[in-house]
Amino acid sequence: AQSVTQLDSHVSVSEGTPVLLRCNYSSSYSPSLFWYVQHPNKGLQLLLKYTSAATLVKGINGFEAEFKKSETSFHLTKPSAHMSDAAEYFCVVSPYGGATNKLIFGTGTLLAVQP
Amino acid sequence: EPEVTQTPSHQVTQMGQEVILRCVPISNHLYFYWYRQILGQKVEFLVSFYNNEISEKSEIFDDQFSVERPDGSNFTLKIRSTKLEDSAMYFCASSPTGLSSYEQYFGPGTRLTVT
Repeated sequence: AQSVTQLDSHVSVSEGTPVLLRCNYSSSYSPSLFWYVQHPNKGLQLLLKYTSAATLVKGINGFEAEFKKSETSFHLTKPSAHMSDAAEYFCVVSPYGGATNKLIFGTGTLLAVQP
Repeated sequence: EPEVTQTPSHQVTQMGQEVILRCVPISNHLYFYWYRQILGQKVEFLVSFYNNEISEKSEIFDDQFSVERPDGSNFTLKIRSTKLEDSAMYFCASSPTGLSSYEQYFGPGTRLTVT
């Protein structure tokens, strides 16, 4: 079965410092992987996606993620945190070969940004 | 930019009552989904819908749940006899294709509270 594990439930950084949100995946096939963000009282917004093209994926708002097959990881990074980055972040896998494109979510990482 | 909309934003109902949650997917999308997020838990897939049929459903999606596309724009989730444990945020999503590499576009959610 395919799954994702988000290693940290809470991450706190200072504004202007780097962000690292960790995600490991489990998949028998080459997966499609996504990062979604959820701001308070808002819906889920796509940050970026990996679909077997370039292993370093750039997303919106300066976020990046690197697909590392040898480590089964897809960590999300940003060089410099901004206050507006405070939100919950979900690592998501889309199983290959399923009936439809159902998404499997990680448990989420709540990012706090301190001034 | 087109977006998925959901109504109502918050629904309070008594146990045993029927509720209908409404969604308007992005107009040229063909695949539609419902997910739910119980407070403090991960986002879970409920059902996918394509060509006026359920394509896939999870074990959560039992006989008390049903989905419908009553016209060319709305996509609804009905819970026939609500239980306390149905209290959750329900997200609708849509996608132009069913390919695993394609992202889904989420609505802002409906918070359902069953008392």
